[in-house]
Amino acid sequence: NAGVTQTPKFQVLKTGQSMTLQCAQDMNHEYMSWYRQDPGMGLRLIHYSVGAGITDQGEVPNGYNVSRSTTEDFPLRLLSAAPSQTSVYFCASSRNRDYEQYFGPGTRLTVT
Amino acid sequence: QQPVQSPQAVILREGEDAVINCSSSKALYSVHWYRQKHGEAPVFLMILLKGGEQKGHEKISASFNEKKQQSSLYLTASQLSYSGTYFCGTRTGANNLFFGTGTRLTVIP
Repeated sequence: NAGVTQTPKFQVLKTGQSMTLQCAQDMNHEYMSWYRQDPGMGLRLIHYSVGAGITDQGEVPNGYNVSRSTTEDFPLRLLSAAPSQTSVYFCASSRNRDYEQYFGPGTRLTVT
Repeated sequence: QQPVQSPQAVILREGEDAVINCSSSKALYSVHWYRQKHGEAPVFLMILLKGGEQKGHEKISASFNEKKQQSSLYLTASQLSYSGTYFCGTRTGANNLFFGTGTRLTVIP
């Protein structure tokens, strides 16, 4: 099992550019989520999904879109990058909200 | 809805014990504990559910006081590998998980 994979590992964007962070899991987990981690802020939930075709907003959803067309994939789209979106992004999956979450290795994004 | 963790940082010598606390201003349904080493992803330690159920690693010990809306993580006979930042996440009812800002634990020889 590869677990949770994320691409790319590093990305630099200019303000206003858009991009998609990829996330995939091979554990047949229904629950997937995206977090951002900033220094001193802990992990903050951006969007989550409880199954294919179902997504919802988390704590800090503005500026991000998600979709879940398959159980395996949960991409995160930045619509128009801003310097405030400079952060480390983690994707995670689990059986449901109250089971162990498996985190991907993270994507370090810098917006200039 | 973010829980409050204490202490913010702690330094231990190998073999010493530590307690990390997590408290919420709202009634808790579950508390989740993760450890993150520098530059790595968070790794699951334990989940404590309302009603007493616990899921996690056998070597990790934690408590959940529903009345006080608090949880504590107990690290005994610490090893160098215990170093990292510990995060608690709390869920209140049907809401999602909100993580605290972390407790940085450093174990020295």
